[in-house]
Order: sequence, then structure tokens, then C-alpha cells
Amino acid sequence: DSGVTQTPKHLITATGQRVTLRCSPRSGDLSVYWYQQSLDQGLQFLIQYYNGEERAKGNILERFSAQQFPDLHSELNLSSLELGDSALYFCASSVGRWKSSYNEQFFGPGTRLTVL
Amino acid sequence: SQQGEEDPQALSIQEGENATMNCSYKTSINNLQWYRQNSGRGLVHLILIRSNEREKHSGRLRVTLDTSKKSSSLLITASRAADTASYFCATVAQFGGSQGNLIFGKGTKLSVKP
Repeated sequence: DSGVTQTPKHLITATGQRVTLRCSPRSGDLSVYWYQQSLDQGLQFLIQYYNGEERAKGNILERFSAQQFPDLHSELNLSSLELGDSALYFCASSVGRWKSSYNEQFFGPGTRLTVL
Repeated sequence: SQQGEEDPQALSIQEGENATMNCSYKTSINNLQWYRQNSGRGLVHLILIRSNEREKHSGRLRVTLDTSKKSSSLLITASRAADTASYFCATVAQFGGSQGNLIFGKGTKLSVKP
């Protein structure tokens, strides 16, 4: 158990809908990262928050947004869902200072999103 | 685009044998990390090797790094059925909006038969 929790574990929804994925980082970790894992694209970094502020952006679509709250939990919002958004979404956390490349990341169990 | 590329894509061995996975990357790095993912689960950090290190050990894991060839290898000795998983190398983005964050390869799927 990494100490990172994600809810829900599974989500099935229809195209055009909006969903919210939730992540609670390990106690004491200030950085939260979101990743998308699909068969064709592999594991892609989406976005990072550090202590409530956005710090880095990867291949995140404009239809997607995230935030990190004062209690450090984070939410990833996916809107106008398309079939191609079906994937595993992982949250990870680290103790890490912004842009530190040495921080080990601890991954949650993921949310499997299926868009029908 | 992916920074690290693992080779082979899939590897099947018998319990007790050694498993070697390779990773190649494109740009200069500060460090390279290896992660394991059991089917459909989250990734687990295995080991980090810094750019000024050539070899590192952790239990049955041995990682080497050759910065001149931009490649790394992960060796699992005396493999067990429980080692069955996908293994990913990851490097840190040096430039752009995702600077400082991990870029993963597509992984090697290891199957260890009892």
C-alpha cells in the first residue's frame, strides 16, 4: 500500500459527460501528479500540483482540468468525454519540492474510466 | 513523445532464471528510475540511479547506466513468479512545460512461469 488513495476505482460513463476523479496523497507529501495510461499512448504525465499551485503541465487536454485543495487532496475533472478518454488515471504524490528530479513518486491504485 | 524506450516489449522466463530489461533514452538526464506495475495496479518505485553512477544494487535488482550510450539495464536475478509485472524506466523532462516530471517508456512485460 503506497498510502495514496484514489476514488472511485471504476467509472463508466457516456460520451459528452463530465467526471471528477479524486486523489488523496500520502501524509506529508506536497506534490501531486496525474497520469493517464492507455494502450496506445502508454503512461503520460498530465499535470503536477505543489502545495496547491499548478507547477507543471504535460499532455493534458483543454477539456481536462485539475486542482489541489488546502488539505492537499486533488481532483481531476474530465469533461466532454470522448471514447478515446477511456484509460487508467493514476495519481502519484511525492514529498518533493517543485521540479526536484530526485523525488520518488508513490502511485495510487488508479481509476479505470470507461467511456461508452 | 516517450523519452525512454524499453526492450524487449515482452519477456517470458522460468522461475529461477535471470531477467534483463533494457531502456534507451534520447536526451541528457539527471537520473533514471525504474518502476514496476502489476496488472492494472499502480506503479511501484524500484530504484533510482543518478547520472554519475554506473551501477546500483537493491536486493535481487541490479541497474546499470551507460550515459555515453544513453541506455540502462535492469537485471532481476533468481526470478520468482511474483516478479511477473510490467517494468518501466522513467527519466525526467529537462525542458518544456513538464520540466522536472517523469517521462515513462512503454514498458517491458515480464512473465515468470513457475
